[in-house]
Amino acid sequence: GESVGLHLPTLSVQEGDNSIINCAYSNSASDYFIWYKQESGKGPQFIIDIRSNMDKRQGQRVTVLLNKTVKHLSLQIAATQPGDSAVYFCAESAGGTSYGKLTFGQGTILTVHP
Amino acid sequence: DGGITQSPKYLFRKEGQNVTLSCEQNLNHDAMYWYRQDPGQGLRLIYYSQIVNDFQKGDIAEGYSVSREKKESFPLTVTSAQKNPTAFYLCASSLRGQGMREKLFFGSGTQLSVL
Repeated sequence: GESVGLHLPTLSVQEGDNSIINCAYSNSASDYFIWYKQESGKGPQFIIDIRSNMDKRQGQRVTVLLNKTVKHLSLQIAATQPGDSAVYFCAESAGGTSYGKLTFGQGTILTVHP
Repeated sequence: DGGITQSPKYLFRKEGQNVTLSCEQNLNHDAMYWYRQDPGQGLRLIYYSQIVNDFQKGDIAEGYSVSREKKESFPLTVTSAQKNPTAFYLCASSLRGQGMREKLFFGSGTQLSVL
């Protein structure tokens, strides 16, 4: 999972496996969470989001799980493909009038082997 | 196609020089943001603007300046006061309104390096 520091967590999987990327957040007031995917030299791309009144949300091949009790977020990718190789960031927002004031995690490097 | 355009893709700064990074969006988004990304780290907020002619400092605004004269444009100037400017700079935008505001759309970034 993600943590403060200069060395990004890494996850290596085989093509076709399911991947789980974890994220711990610290602000109990956060009510909105997003996962982004960033490929090398590019800007982050939105994957999926979830509000704090939910504990699970599904997209195409992706599922986000939120456990507010332990302040933990996870991203599950089904049938991982080589094109899924990237850095994945979780981000949190405490809402209110703080437009777009997302706090980003350190990121996790996902490598998918053919 | 709608999107966010950042230019240039690569930029080099000499000592004591100010440089300006361009960010243009045609998504009709109200809010725009600048983030800085250092190797192995997450994104940190420099400045953000919710509406034209208004902007607020983010977490690391020192050594940077912005303007928001048009809805579509939010240029970032890296001044000589920023002593460690080498980083990947990302511009983003979002709609306003419940459920919309935090969903940021990012440009492709500008890599700034010091000569």
